[in-house]
Amino acid sequence: GAGVSQSPRYKVAKRGQDVALRCDPISGHVSLFWYQQALGQGPEFLTYFQNEAQLDKSGLPSDRFFAERPEGSVSTLKIQRTQQEDSAVYLCASSPRGGEGTQYFGPGTRLTVL
Amino acid sequence: QKEVEQDPGPLSVPEGAIVSLNCTYSNSAFQYFMWYRQYSRKGPELLMYTYSSGNKEDGRFTAQVDKSSKYISLFIRDSQPSDSATYLCAMSAIWITGGGNKLTFGTGTQLKVEL
Repeated sequence: GAGVSQSPRYKVAKRGQDVALRCDPISGHVSLFWYQQALGQGPEFLTYFQNEAQLDKSGLPSDRFFAERPEGSVSTLKIQRTQQEDSAVYLCASSPRGGEGTQYFGPGTRLTVL
Repeated sequence: QKEVEQDPGPLSVPEGAIVSLNCTYSNSAFQYFMWYRQYSRKGPELLMYTYSSGNKEDGRFTAQVDKSSKYISLFIRDSQPSDSATYLCAMSAIWITGGGNKLTFGTGTQLKVEL
């Protein structure tokens, strides 16, 4: 079956541009997470959705970061006025209802801000 | 100081060696411990999941948790070149079935198994 997919896989933005990163979770998965992974570091939590409700956004680094999941499936992470420090891999993970909570990760979107 | 500390390596071992990977942590609320494997330009893949203290074995992999020392380990027996990857430890304070189990990761240890 299909896993978590993310698009685009690579994104280059000029400083100050807005970007939108898409995540397609595994079909039927209730929970969706976004993580940010800087080069040589482990992933860091950004935000969490249960269905369409954003229950935790404590990891979003600034108000330039915004995430949504309006229909409880596909999610979009938007970064406004990108800065060089936003350069990282953005990982999406989903988790099923009734499962043990294991998170299944997508391949990530590598964002480079010039 | 980070909540989870992990030696970034790189760690290079010959094929067939036993590999020991470790993490320490400071948050005593962590109860659920995981090891993920991440190949270059791929997302993390869950290898092992352990609750509280104790050992868990799965094939060539053994995970150990010592909550009294706030120390976790992953052992890989009979290591293969295909095991070459970055190994990430991850922890969670709560574990809601199908819920928001926010993970805190270590920095990852880069492992290379050489022929």
